[in-house]
Amino acid sequence: GAVVSQHPSRVICKSGTSVKIECRSLDFQATTMFWYRQFPKKSLMLMATSNEGSKATYEQGVEKDKFLINHASLTLSTLTVTSAHPEDSSFYICSAGLAGGGGELFFGEGSRLTVL
Amino acid sequence: KQEVTQIPAALSVPEGENLVLNCSFTDSAIYNLQWFRQDPGKGLTSLLLIQSSQREQTSGRLNASLDKSSGRSTLYIAASQPGDSATYLCAVGGFQKLVFGTGTRLLVSP
Repeated sequence: GAVVSQHPSRVICKSGTSVKIECRSLDFQATTMFWYRQFPKKSLMLMATSNEGSKATYEQGVEKDKFLINHASLTLSTLTVTSAHPEDSSFYICSAGLAGGGGELFFGEGSRLTVL
Repeated sequence: KQEVTQIPAALSVPEGENLVLNCSFTDSAIYNLQWFRQDPGKGLTSLLLIQSSQREQTSGRLNASLDKSSGRSTLYIAASQPGDSATYLCAVGGFQKLVFGTGTRLLVSP
């Protein structure tokens, strides 16, 4: 299957700082990537759809100015959590699909964010 | 709004047992259904993908079925092993846009 890589896998930051998480498709190009958030022992919630070369599409209730998404190339999308707050602590996972892959999605390893 | 439910929420079985995980969804107008495995603190590993026109998919000891009209899917695991211990998630939805269930935490004891 296709490989999606995230970095960093774990990050700890202070309140008020910004943190950037990278999502890369290693062996394929992805015009669309997806960012999910997962709370402890809960399921994944779609935050936004990242579109290469254009603005991201955010789900209802997700703050655009807090979670900045950039998809500058066909293999890289970044999620920046701005002015981080302890309530932003969570597990963030990205995914991407192959063109012509029947809609199958492949997920990164996830990034654990802890805001102190 | 699509809602996905998985039953049971947790399951503990001895090694070697065959088991069935259930997934139900409220809106039958789906593009596909995907089963994933998630180990603690890790990302998701895709197990099986069933297109809306298909009834089942098989991979090794895993078999997933789909009954779109009744809004149900099952994941059958044959001859379970301790290495199968993980959380299993089903996800349904439109093209590449998935709605996830709450997961079934499986523990297979030696």
